[in-house]
Amino acid sequence: GAGVSQSPSNKVTEKGKDVELRCDPISGHTALYWYRQSLGQGLEFLIYFQGNSAPDKSGLPSDRFSAERTGGSVSTLTIQRTQQEDSAVYLCASSLARPGRGVEGYTFGSGTRLTVV
Amino acid sequence: GQNIDQPTEMTATEGAIVQINCTYQTSGFNGLFWYQQHAGEAPTFLSYNVLDGLEEKGRFSSFLSRSKGYSYLLLKELQMKDSASYLCALGAGSARQLTFGSGTQLTVLP
Repeated sequence: GAGVSQSPSNKVTEKGKDVELRCDPISGHTALYWYRQSLGQGLEFLIYFQGNSAPDKSGLPSDRFSAERTGGSVSTLTIQRTQQEDSAVYLCASSLARPGRGVEGYTFGSGTRLTVV
Repeated sequence: GQNIDQPTEMTATEGAIVQINCTYQTSGFNGLFWYQQHAGEAPTFLSYNVLDGLEEKGRFSSFLSRSKGYSYLLLKELQMKDSASYLCALGAGSARQLTFGSGTQLTVLP
């Protein structure tokens, strides 16, 4: 597609429920990243996918968080047993980043605003 | 690890020039990025520095000094639409993930 698409744009869920957030990256972008941004805070790295390599999960805050990327394209971030501190904007980004080719800018999606009540 | 510091807020007048500073402590990085984020929107890429010096891009310029652990974003001929949060980020590691500062909220006044 023309840009990074995320859905839903807004999600309100009850504490303890599971949620799934979807990211559709730019076609041809091999790298996909998930970040989260709490109110008034910077972006916090969660997870990174590059091609068919094992994902870098070093930023996931707990084992309640998981993500997968099917067919090297669409990614789903799942949060199990949501807590109020999970409330944030979850941003997905993609890039043409290739190891050894230097750092390239990301293109971000518009994010999913998650509110846990 | 990486520690990135930016002023929380800045205010400037339409038509003026503003410099947003970013200082960092890190063991190494590949490049330094600046992003612009309007309220409720996704961050958008502004500039990228790998080598020391100034990169100019229209009304926006970014400077990097690796030896001083310092960067700045310079915005000229400020417009009202420049009111936004400006995020400094370091790119590092083989995974190429970016580590972001907390951002500087710029308000442009008429």
